[in-house]
Amino acid sequence: KQEVTQIPAALSVPEGENLVLNCSFTDSAIYNLQWFRQDPGKGLTSLLLIQSSQREQTSGRLNASLDKSSGRSTLYIAASQPGDSATYLCAVIIDYQLIWGAGTKLIIKP
Amino acid sequence: GAVVSQHPSWVICKSGTSVKIECRSLDFQATTMFWYRQFPKQSLMLMATSNEGSKATYEQGVEKDKFLINHASLTLSTLTVTSAHPEDSSFYICSASEQFSYNSPLHFGNGTRLTVT
Repeated sequence: KQEVTQIPAALSVPEGENLVLNCSFTDSAIYNLQWFRQDPGKGLTSLLLIQSSQREQTSGRLNASLDKSSGRSTLYIAASQPGDSATYLCAVIIDYQLIWGAGTKLIIKP
Repeated sequence: GAVVSQHPSWVICKSGTSVKIECRSLDFQATTMFWYRQFPKQSLMLMATSNEGSKATYEQGVEKDKFLINHASLTLSTLTVTSAHPEDSSFYICSASEQFSYNSPLHFGNGTRLTVT
């Protein structure tokens, strides 16, 4: 059974720091992996999508990596800003199911 | 923990027919539910946000007359794909929130794979 774990559950860092969010999954047979953010009072915003054949995706200050063999993905945020404060979720897709992590609540302190 | 049940998990229908997808919060009251769709190899896209007892708010480009959303109770929201066509084939997923706030966790259904033939 596929399980997705995100560590840490919450993270608070000063503005300007680089940080890494972790996502691990138990079954390497995934279709793709996605990172999302949820802002207060809003739905999900898709950040990065990594296909199972890919190792990395970048968008602006965000970089997501995928290591299927070890069942891990990381989301790297460079030069964090207060506007990055949100809950970050990763999800893997296997077959027709979307399996989600519980999320990491990120607070960037000005 | 809080569970969101989405039904059916997969459905195959003929072109021109309508399909209803249900999203239920099993052990909590969901004031807000979100509906998403995802095409193969693409990101999840928010379709609409529904609040119990009021009309859904649709994202730009989503046809409200084609994708009917009803959130008649605090535990049930439905998405009806009307007059389905093959291009509507996609993966639909709902999520539910107890409160529309930062500290309220978001719970997800496992999705529905719709194939229109």
